[in-house]
Amino acid sequence: QVQLVESGGGVVQPGTSLRLSCAASGFTFTGYGMHWVRQAPGKGLEWVALIWYDGSKTSYADSVKGRFSISRDNSKKTLNLEMNSLRAEDTAVYYCARGEDFWSDSPHYYFDSWGQGALVTVST
Amino acid sequence: QSALTQPASVSGSPGQSITISCTGTNSDVGGYNYVSWYQQHPGKAPNLIIYDVSNRPSGVSNRFSGSKSGNTASLTISGLQAEDEADYYCSSYTRTSPYVFGTGTKVTVL
Repeated sequence: QVQLVESGGGVVQPGTSLRLSCAASGFTFTGYGMHWVRQAPGKGLEWVALIWYDGSKTSYADSVKGRFSISRDNSKKTLNLEMNSLRAEDTAVYYCARGEDFWSDSPHYYFDSWGQGALVTVST
Repeated sequence: QSALTQPASVSGSPGQSITISCTGTNSDVGGYNYVSWYQQHPGKAPNLIIYDVSNRPSGVSNRFSGSKSGNTASLTISGLQAEDEADYYCSSYTRTSPYVFGTGTKVTVL
């Protein structure tokens, strides 16, 4: 079955960097767009970033644009999120989620599988 | 891109039906039939329960149903059960973002 496992979370100081990874298994990774979605403590879900199945296109929320970078290694079935210039307001659980099925005849604009999340805490 | 608007909380007794609204604009909810709904139990990852406004993934109970009218989408839970107590989020494809989530609704089973 589809499995997404995040890693790389931790406690970091403001202004520093952190890299999250998400290992995918149980599906054809190269056929899907992949996303990062975050949830601040006690708050709602916030879409963060998207990368197309082949890495040719990326998109970011305004709140992270210019600071975060999403990438993927299809040979390793891994999704990454490089987070720079971290701020206290970036503190959240970060989920990787499977999105667009690029080989489907039907549009696919939803997140049908999620990882368990990785906690990132930005604090002095 | 502003979050879609949902009521903060909705409650109901076992067996009753409840409806959660999700209000956006014609740039998101009203402009596309790409509204999805997620259930999230405390400490757990979200789980897809409705996609494309009214479709249920396999394995999701038919007690969950979705609809849309204009800029407002709705999730109805019929025959409310204790296990339905959770947070619920809507999401929509948008013209700009490209995705936006709702503010979230806490469902309480009385």
